[in-house]
Amino acid sequence: DVKVTQSSRYLVKRTGEKVFLECVQDMDHENMFWYRQDPGLGLRLIYFSYDVKMKEKGDIPEGYSVSREKKERFSLILESASTNQTSMYLCASRNTGTISNYGYTFGSGTRLTVV
Amino acid sequence: RKEVEQDPGPFNVPEGATVAFNCTYSNSASQSFFWYRQDCRKEPKLLMSVYSSGNEDGRFTAQLNRASQYISLLIRDSKLSDSATYLCAVNWGTNAGKSTFGDGTTLTVKP
Repeated sequence: DVKVTQSSRYLVKRTGEKVFLECVQDMDHENMFWYRQDPGLGLRLIYFSYDVKMKEKGDIPEGYSVSREKKERFSLILESASTNQTSMYLCASRNTGTISNYGYTFGSGTRLTVV
Repeated sequence: RKEVEQDPGPFNVPEGATVAFNCTYSNSASQSFFWYRQDCRKEPKLLMSVYSSGNEDGRFTAQLNRASQYISLLIRDSKLSDSATYLCAVNWGTNAGKSTFGDGTTLTVKP
């Protein structure tokens, strides 16, 4: 089975800190994604990457950046953490190919609290 | 209007019941469709992809209606362990790998 590993399950950071959330997948997937999930707002796409060094903005990229230097690793960076970035962050990866019906495999999530 | 909308729920059903969830999508060019299951405080897990002709996996049946732009999930003979939030997801556009999710429908199966 594909495994998507997020480096931290819980994280508490101070306002203004630079925060790095790491995500690693072990199945050579090209596509990787970062979402945040908030009560009443559902899952919202922050950034995604189709391949190494490629990145595209999702629906809510403000305040975030990403890095994909290696195929297996996709990092989310909060440039200057703010309290409204307190959320559950979910990383996902997806197989590609001729079949379009590949769904996501999610990591177990990082619950970030900014104080 | 949201791009992907689900029945608001919650659904509370007895064990053994049949329950159905619907999910509507706004973009007629949508290409791929999925159902995920999310347990409390856990990550979503892919339940099944939804194929044009409909597909079944044990007690679960997924259907797609392109004309009316919705997908459905039917759960037969509900088990206590089916209690979870069910999320639908839709892919469209040139970046067809990225999914837009519904807000989810919560199902509670009671003894």
